[in-house]
Amino acid sequence: KAGVTQTPRYLIKTRGQQVTLSCSPISGHRSVSWYQQTPGQGLQFLFEYFSETQRNKGNFPGRFSGRQFSNSRSEMNVSTLELGDSALYLCASSVGQPNQPQHFGDGTRLSIL
Amino acid sequence: AQKITQTQPGMFVQEKEAVTLDCTYDTSDPSYGLFWYKQPSSGEMIFLIYQGSYDQQNATEGRYSLNFQKARKSANLVISASQLGDSAMYFCAMSYDQAGTALIFGKGTTLSVSS
Repeated sequence: KAGVTQTPRYLIKTRGQQVTLSCSPISGHRSVSWYQQTPGQGLQFLFEYFSETQRNKGNFPGRFSGRQFSNSRSEMNVSTLELGDSALYLCASSVGQPNQPQHFGDGTRLSIL
Repeated sequence: AQKITQTQPGMFVQEKEAVTLDCTYDTSDPSYGLFWYKQPSSGEMIFLIYQGSYDQQNATEGRYSLNFQKARKSANLVISASQLGDSAMYFCAMSYDQAGTALIFGKGTTLSVSS
């Protein structure tokens, strides 16, 4: 069974630009969650999508948005990039039932210059 | 507010020894899940073990076991017979939303296994 696939693996952007990250979940998983990992703040929950609807949202500004398609693939968009957005962005998929393990992709490492 | 605390920034163990990684949590919800993940230097997060708040028995998965003490709000990970490949960062996490799909993570513990 293929795992969670995130593309691209690495991205370099400049301040003010926008970026779109992609996540393909494990086949059959309907829930996709996004996390930001930085050395200072650790791992923080961004949002979760289930059946194309945002079901949960963390405490991030509106510049961070996402969507999910009918095949459960998800994209995350960050607009007006800031230096502090440099991070490893991890996507995780699960069946979407309470307290089921989330399976993570390898992440996209975003660097802002 | 929900919180996960991992008080050990780094742990050192020799091969074949057992090691316990500490995790305490705080929540007022009766229903929650506790997870442990391993993150090698390559960056991917690997799911290790899960414990539900209503589970009566401690979870075990191969060499991993979770020492769940609900009254003390602790969920320590025990790794038996450590291997060199166990060297990594270990995160304790708790689901905190009604859907059980939003996780709050601790700061992590770096485990170093030596031969």
